[in-house]
Amino acid sequence: ETGVTQSPTHLIKTRGQQVTLRCSSQSGHNTVSWYQQALGQGPQFIFQYYREEENGRGNFPPRFSGLQFPNYSSELNVNALELDDSALYLCASSPGRSQETQYFGPGTRLLVL
Amino acid sequence: GESVGLHLPTLSVQEGDNSIINCAYSNSASDYFIWYKQESGKGPQFIIDIRSNMDKRQGQRVTVLLNKTVKHLSLQIAATQPGDSAVYFCAGRGSWGKLQFGAGTQVVVTP
Repeated sequence: ETGVTQSPTHLIKTRGQQVTLRCSSQSGHNTVSWYQQALGQGPQFIFQYYREEENGRGNFPPRFSGLQFPNYSSELNVNALELDDSALYLCASSPGRSQETQYFGPGTRLLVL
Repeated sequence: GESVGLHLPTLSVQEGDNSIINCAYSNSASDYFIWYKQESGKGPQFIIDIRSNMDKRQGQRVTVLLNKTVKHLSLQIAATQPGDSAVYFCAGRGSWGKLQFGAGTQVVVTP
């Protein structure tokens, strides 16, 4: 166990809806990264938060947004859901912005109908 | 563009044999690589990492080899066990510290 927790574990939404996913980082970790993993593929980087600020973003549209709180937990928000947003959403925490080792949570499985 | 890819989608290994999983990368600027293991329904689990100034690193039953000349790394698992059955990903560190993953190799351990 990495100490990284995510909620909910599973979620079903319909097209056009909005969703919020949550992540609690490992104790002592101030950096959270979010990844999207489609079925049968490797995780794709969405963005990273370091000390409550976005610290880098992958090739995802603006309807993917996030927050990081003072306790370093984080949220991923997705607006105007599309069918292709169906995936496993993973968060990973690390002890610092430049720290390479990222420890993943179990993920949230999102299904968009 | 940047990419990290794996050579084989599935690797079947007999229990007790050694496994070798290969990975190619294209980003010469990647200075750090990680291998993750992902079991069904779980998040990726850290196995071992290696910096670009090294060519070999050993852990418990695992060894990672890095060949920067041909942009290739491999993961060797000694005495493969049924619990090693999973999907294995290599990841390289790109800009902003983001990890770039390949598609993964499914390792199936047979008795």
